Amino acid sequence: TQLLEQSPQFLSIQEGENLTVYCNSSSVFSSLQWYRQEPGEGPVLLVTVVTGGEVKKLKRLTFQFGDARKDSSLHITAAQPGDTGLYLCGGGGKLIFGQGTELSVKP
Amino acid sequence: GAVVSQHPSWVICKSGTSVKIECRSLDFQATTMFWYRQFPKQSLMLMATSNEGSKATYEQGVEKDKFLINHASLTLSTLTVTSAHPEDSSFYICSASGQGLGYGYTFGSGTRLTVV
Repeated sequence: TQLLEQSPQFLSIQEGENLTVYCNSSSVFSSLQWYRQEPGEGPVLLVTVVTGGEVKKLKRLTFQFGDARKDSSLHITAAQPGDTGLYLCGGGGKLIFGQGTELSVKP
Repeated sequence: GAVVSQHPSWVICKSGTSVKIECRSLDFQATTMFWYRQFPKQSLMLMATSNEGSKATYEQGVEKDKFLINHASLTLSTLTVTSAHPEDSSFYICSASGQGLGYGYTFGSGTRLTVV
């Protein structure tokens, strides 16, 4: 059974700080997706990583896929209050998710 | 882009009644639909996977007779919560994958179910 372990589950930081969210598994994934979800809405896809060692950037967000395709990370530079939300990593044939990271960025 | 329309966005029902939630893919054929349940401040818990024309595959611990899933066409999947109880109150979300979406999945906007 594939499992995704996401950490930290809660993160409260000040505007301008940097942060990293981790998504780990003992299984190999053909791809992993990162989503952001606002309260009362469905998750919105941020990025899909497919190739081991791949790095993708989306403005201040940097996503990395581990060489062995068992882990991924999301790094946010100079966080803004607008980055507040629930971040989810997901993947696998049944599209399972990690525990999620509830990020709060205070002005 | 690919859009999944989920209705209703919220529903309040009395204990013991049934509620149907619909997810429609508007501009693509959803060969596979996933149904999730989400509690506040928590991640999405996969309930079941349905493929068009086939019986749904339920995750361990999910009662298939309580949560009826129908995926009768490539554009429509439904989740019916039968004999709802207050503990069934939650946020239910569907997600679809299909031809042309690559590795991505498209989510509905979710349904907030409150059973009173």
